[in-house]
Amino acid sequence: AQSVTQLDSQVPVFEEAPVELRCNYSSSVSVYLFWYVQYPNQGLQLLLKYLSGSTLVKSINGFEAEFNKSQTSFHLRKPSVHISDTAEYFCAVSGYNQGGKLIFGQGTELSVKP
Amino acid sequence: GAVVSQHPSRVICKSGTSVKIECRSLDFQATTMFWYRQFPKQSLMLMATSNEGSKATYEQGVEKDKFLINHASLTLSTLTVTSAHPEDSSFYICSASPYLPGPETQYFGPGTRLLVL
Repeated sequence: AQSVTQLDSQVPVFEEAPVELRCNYSSSVSVYLFWYVQYPNQGLQLLLKYLSGSTLVKSINGFEAEFNKSQTSFHLRKPSVHISDTAEYFCAVSGYNQGGKLIFGQGTELSVKP
Repeated sequence: GAVVSQHPSRVICKSGTSVKIECRSLDFQATTMFWYRQFPKQSLMLMATSNEGSKATYEQGVEKDKFLINHASLTLSTLTVTSAHPEDSSFYICSASPYLPGPETQYFGPGTRLLVL
């Protein structure tokens, strides 16, 4: 079984400041890791994913996350945030051969202020 | 590409009635569809996994007689909340995957907000 812990429920930050959203997971098998973003009253959009290979993965809008196996973490970072990045961010894990089931963290509300 | 739609987007019903929510993959065939439930300010909880033409697999604690899932075709899955009660009010989200297994290619619908009065 897998579990995901997002350590911060809310992260307020000023525009153009850097941000890190923390995610730790536990699993008895190898995993795939994901970050999803949810805007108010909408479904989830995939932001980035780690499947294998390079441990640093990047999105097209400036976010990046690094898979750290020893620390079982997959923290999300952006060097300079925009107002439009305000949303709920979910970290998720799926175990190998688990039929595609995603286990989500509790979510982190990122609030970017001008 | 890879668009998943849900209908309706929002529904209000009286306690005791049944509500059907549709999830469609618009431009691909979905071998697997997932149904999630999200309470306000909380995470998504997987309710069940459905594969086309077979019975859905429900997660522990989810009543299969309460939440009926039908995956009748490769582009449509339905979730019926039977005899809905106020505690069933929630945001229901489906996702669809064109492959088995496919966590990396799971596409999410926009969600359906259910309010039971």
